[in-house]
Amino acid sequence: SQELEQSPQSLIVQEGKNLTINCTSSKTLYGLYWYKQKYGEGLIFLMMLQKGGEEKSHEKITAKLDEKKQQSSLHITASQPSHAGIYLCGADFVTGTASKLTFGTGTRLQVTL
Amino acid sequence: DVKVTQSSRYLVKRTGEKVFLECVQDMDHENMFWYRQDPGLGLRLIYFSYDVKMKEKGDIPEGYSVSREKKERFSLILESASTNQTSMYLCASSLFALLGNSPLHFGNGTRLTVT
Repeated sequence: SQELEQSPQSLIVQEGKNLTINCTSSKTLYGLYWYKQKYGEGLIFLMMLQKGGEEKSHEKITAKLDEKKQQSSLHITASQPSHAGIYLCGADFVTGTASKLTFGTGTRLQVTL
Repeated sequence: DVKVTQSSRYLVKRTGEKVFLECVQDMDHENMFWYRQDPGLGLRLIYFSYDVKMKEKGDIPEGYSVSREKKERFSLILESASTNQTSMYLCASSLFALLGNSPLHFGNGTRLTVT
């Protein structure tokens, strides 16, 4: 979606290195969701951010939402082969009933030994 | 844990066939969604439903229809399959209508090839 840009499109890192994936919106977000997808499979929910400046962590993955609620970053510390996959951000632009997510095109992460 | 089950992982159909993709969730979720995922285009919403027998068009409903006769089951129908409908199809569900209170939970996907 042009409303939501992810960068980089792909990333190859050596095991043990840190990395950051960015998700930028042209509009203010009401909610930002990070998902991981293993190749050829469904999406696994990682984290949800709603407040400006919010930061959440799960194991070695940290996600932040900026104060203006237009940009989010996903940071992986000491990457492992199990982190490989496609990371997608999904944005909730609309409040109200039956909201739906707009997704970025994803960042493909490879972790080399 | 929420479980969203799609009936087939891989499906090969011929042009013009009527195709049914089935999705079942086991957590009494109100909302269910069908997306398709294509390289370079990301996930695009086809249809969604926030109640039994209710449906709303997403961003790309043309060539598709849906059915939700029971709360736990949401079916995607390709009335007359075409090669441009070759794609990965993902079903999702969420508990509440307001996504801020509940994220989407996805099935493992159905990779459909139309020849």
